[in-house]
Amino acid sequence: SQQGEEDPQALSIQEGENATMNCSYKTSINNLQWYRQNSGRGLVHLILIRSNEREKHSGRLRVTLDTSKKSSSLLITASRAADTASYFCATDGATSGTYKYIFGTGTRLKVLA
Amino acid sequence: KAGVTQTPRYLIKTRGQQVTLSCSPISGHRSVSWYQQTPGQGLQFLFEYFSETQRNKGNFPGRFSGRQFSNSRSEMNVSTLELGDSALYLCASSHPGQGYEQFFGPGTRLTVL
Repeated sequence: SQQGEEDPQALSIQEGENATMNCSYKTSINNLQWYRQNSGRGLVHLILIRSNEREKHSGRLRVTLDTSKKSSSLLITASRAADTASYFCATDGATSGTYKYIFGTGTRLKVLA
Repeated sequence: KAGVTQTPRYLIKTRGQQVTLSCSPISGHRSVSWYQQTPGQGLQFLFEYFSETQRNKGNFPGRFSGRQFSNSRSEMNVSTLELGDSALYLCASSHPGQGYEQFFGPGTRLTVL
């Protein structure tokens, strides 16, 4: 089963509004990453947060991590039409020797102009 | 630096055939991972190579195999194609492999008829 589950599955907002999406995972992690994918193309890395960090910012993006709840959230502020995409969280296994990332199911964000 | 390139971008095969997909990582990246993306299963990890060695493998049948060359380029092979193998196959490279962002290629869309 997948490590990460994003919530909501789909989100539709007006341009200028904030968008929040959540990710839950099941096992201990070393770090968690968020990616964006535009319409069936390759993924673009947005931000990485390590297990000992609680919050991280990058431009209009804010990511939080709560390891006690095994959850993370991605906030996109002042959204733009160009933010329309699918967003995925990816977690790595904390098990030694594990070099794979498990991706969540994704949140489809639609920003209306 | 040039990004991750994947060839071919689109491929149509029939059941029972085999296919080879190619991935050229970003210069200097020694880790290459492969993922399968389908609407039903989402993004699933296939395998990861580092310095010509497979370091980790996902839960896919033996029909899926890969290799990495000394220049870090990687190939993925699927034998005896099934209809369910129709998917977007994504390749990602990263510098050391764990705990770092992955850079994705545009993917190869495989259709099995």
